[in-house]
Amino acid sequence: EDQVTQSPEALRLQEGESSSLNCSYTVSGLRGLFWYRQDPGKGPEFLFTLYSAGEEKEKERLKATLTKKESFLHITAPKPEDSATYLCAVPSGYALNFGKGTSLLVTP
Amino acid sequence: NAGVTQTPKFRVLKTGQSMTLLCAQDMNHEYMYWYRQDPGMGLRLIHYSVGEGTTAKGEVPDGYNVSRLKKQNFLLGLESAAPSQTSVYFCASSYHDSHSKAFFGQGTRLTVV
Repeated sequence: EDQVTQSPEALRLQEGESSSLNCSYTVSGLRGLFWYRQDPGKGPEFLFTLYSAGEEKEKERLKATLTKKESFLHITAPKPEDSATYLCAVPSGYALNFGKGTSLLVTP
Repeated sequence: NAGVTQTPKFRVLKTGQSMTLLCAQDMNHEYMYWYRQDPGMGLRLIHYSVGEGTTAKGEVPDGYNVSRLKKQNFLLGLESAAPSQTSVYFCASSYHDSHSKAFFGQGTRLTVV
């Protein structure tokens, strides 16, 4: 059974304190790994798709990387507006199988 | 460009009542999905559709029914609501399959008392 595990469940950072979120997966034949951001009271918003080991994508202070077993979302010099829940997901059948997310809080 | 629109945004039901959640997308996407999100459980797939007139069961389909009579609309029905169906419901759509990014609606917060 395909599984997606995210760690840590929650992370608190000071503004400017860089860190990484982890998404490990067990799927037979990866067909992409997706990162989403979810703000309180809103639906998930797409950030990145990674398709092969070694691939990297960047957007502002975020950089996503992919290996054969896991993906990292690196946050460089975060700001309070980066506070959100970050979800990763992998295709499973006709839909996406989501991890439970990492809740990130960035304090001034 | 509205994207994915869900109605209503909030609803309180009594046990045993029925209701329909409406999802509309204006991106001409083939695939549409209904997820529920509960604390500690993450997003779980209820039902999905791979095109107009088609529906299929997801991970947690019991107690729900769906219909996709028009390509742009995907309806989720609760025939007899139960407290266990208290949740936040999200609709999503994607261009053609799970390999393409999904766009989500803003969610419907449903409370069953």
